[in-house]
Order: sequence, then C-alpha cells, then structure tokens
Amino acid sequence: KAGVTQTPRYLIKTRGQQVTLSCSPISGHRSVSWYQQTPGQGLQFLFEYFSETQRNKGNFPGRFSGRQFSNSRSEMNVSTLELGDSALYLCASSLTAADYNEQFFGPGTRLTVL
Amino acid sequence: AQSVTQLGSHVSVSEGALVLLRCNYSSSVPPYLFWYVQYPNQGLQLLLKYTSAATLVKGINGFEAEFKKSETSFHLTKPSAHMSDAAEYFCAVKGQGAQKLVFGQGTRLTINP
Repeated sequence: KAGVTQTPRYLIKTRGQQVTLSCSPISGHRSVSWYQQTPGQGLQFLFEYFSETQRNKGNFPGRFSGRQFSNSRSEMNVSTLELGDSALYLCASSLTAADYNEQFFGPGTRLTVL
Repeated sequence: AQSVTQLGSHVSVSEGALVLLRCNYSSSVPPYLFWYVQYPNQGLQLLLKYTSAATLVKGINGFEAEFKKSETSFHLTKPSAHMSDAAEYFCAVKGQGAQKLVFGQGTRLTINP
C-alpha cells in the first residue's frame, strides 16, 4: 500500500503570496490532519478533517485554511504569507476519526518564504 | 488539556549501549501515547503506541516503552543502540475523542561509534 503523499515537496514563495499544499492519504484512510514543524515551535497541530468536515482546528490565524475532498484528499492553503510561515508542513492520515487510531505521516512539504 | 515533556533535547550514547529517551505526559483522562522517529528530510514514522491494552509496548526496530501511570511517564528504551538509530524522536499524546496529537519538543539521538 502506498503511503501518504504530499506535493510539492519543496516550495519557495515571497511574502504576501499565497500557497496551496496537497496531501493524498493512504488508500482507505478517511481522516487527514495537518501539522506545522518549525525549529522554534516544534510540531503544532493545524487542523483535522474527516468526511470533508473540519473536526478540529489548532491555534493558527485565519490565513491558514484547509479542505478535504470526497476522495479524502486534502489541501491546505496559506494566504498572505509571512516570513514566519517558513516551515515543514506535515500531513497525516488515519483510518477513521477514532482516537485510538494511529496517524501515518507523509514526507512533508518544506515551505520557504522569502 | 494534554501536554508532553521530553527530558533532554539531545542524548548521546555509544553503539551497543542502552538507549533511554524520557517522556512525561500530562492528561486529565487516560491518554493514548505514541513515539515517533524522524530521520533527516523525512516525515514522522510511528515506532509504537500505547492504547491501554498493555503497559509494556513493543515497537519496531527493537524499541519498547513502558506506560507508568503513577509516574505519568512513557519512556522509550532500546537495549543496544545501532548507528542507524541516530534520528530525532518525538513523544506525543492524544486525548480521548480527538485526532489531534500534542508533541514533545523532541530528543535528538546521536550514536557514537
């Protein structure tokens, strides 16, 4: 079974631009979560989707948004990019939204904002 | 609210020595606990998880962890370190009814030949 895939793997943007990151979960997985990883703040939860509905959201500004499609693929969007948005963005998928299910992570998208 | 504290941002051991990475959690309800490993330029790989079935959990690559409720700890161990174990390790907690993982700050493990 193929793992979680994320595209693109690397991205360079300038301040003020917007960006869309894509995540394809493991086949059959219906829950997708997004995390931001930075050297200063570590790994922080962004949001979680299940059956096209956002179930949970982390403490990030409204510039960060996401969605999930009927095939469970997910996208996250960051508008009006700031230098501090430079980070590794990780997507994780889980079989269901049940709390005992483990999450499987993709390789991440490394975003650099200049 | 759940939280995780990993003691030691950097641990260095000799090849063949015992690996011990410390994790303490805070949770108002019985938690689900996880250890993940991250190699350079890669995502996170699940090593093992605790979901209340057994207090001693065995994972991949020879790692295991013991859940101690009285100490609110979930330390990760491996009897004999291998060079390939060099990576960053994250302890994470998930509360009941949620998918959100709360991670510790990570411990970078270095293996000396």
